[in-house]
Amino acid sequence: NAGVTQTPKFQVLKTGQSMTLQCAQDMNHEYMSWYRQDPGMGLRLIHYSVGAGITDQGEVPNGYNVSRSTTEDFPLRLLSAAPSQTSVYFCARTGQISLRANVLTFGAGSRLTVL
Amino acid sequence: KNQVEQSPQSLIILEGKNCTLQCNYTVSPFSNLRWYKQDTGRGPVSLTIMTFSENTKSNGRYTATLDADTKQSSLHITASQLSDSASYICVVTSFNAGNMLTFGGGTRLMVKP
Repeated sequence: NAGVTQTPKFQVLKTGQSMTLQCAQDMNHEYMSWYRQDPGMGLRLIHYSVGAGITDQGEVPNGYNVSRSTTEDFPLRLLSAAPSQTSVYFCARTGQISLRANVLTFGAGSRLTVL
Repeated sequence: KNQVEQSPQSLIILEGKNCTLQCNYTVSPFSNLRWYKQDTGRGPVSLTIMTFSENTKSNGRYTATLDADTKQSSLHITASQLSDSASYICVVTSFNAGNMLTFGGGTRLMVKP
């Protein structure tokens, strides 16, 4: 998944711990987003950003914070991890704010387990 | 509520055989529909995009169809290979201010030798 780097690939947390999933892109693209993927369900949008300094909530934002201080980086913070946040998280980017014609490029994913 | 449903949930076929994956959607207003392939442990990668006016589009051994009247799409894989083993995700974009994406739950395809 060239162009979108996610770290860590795997993480185990205890309930109540906090952590940050990192996402970096090297294409200077404006639009970045975070999704979670759970078994049997489609990818669900957590937060997205249409440019540096601009973020907005997606479908399932509760329990997560994001910031976009630079175009390249879009970290996702879990404030107080809960078992319901056990999931695989994907960061994505696209070059245009309009998603009608452009395609999302996804990172390789971060698998998070909350005990 | 916008929804995308895919069938079957999982499918096992023998190498060399053909298969067809289905996607039904209730997204409105419709903008476009994409099929993504997701290999195990990787992020989804776009295979093809269908807009309202397109009925068929091919990408190698993959052929996607769209019937905007019945709100159905299919992905046909010809002469399957072991490397086709993956999840295939249908994603529909709504033509509104948010350009919202609605993801299907995916079809997990396993190709056996």
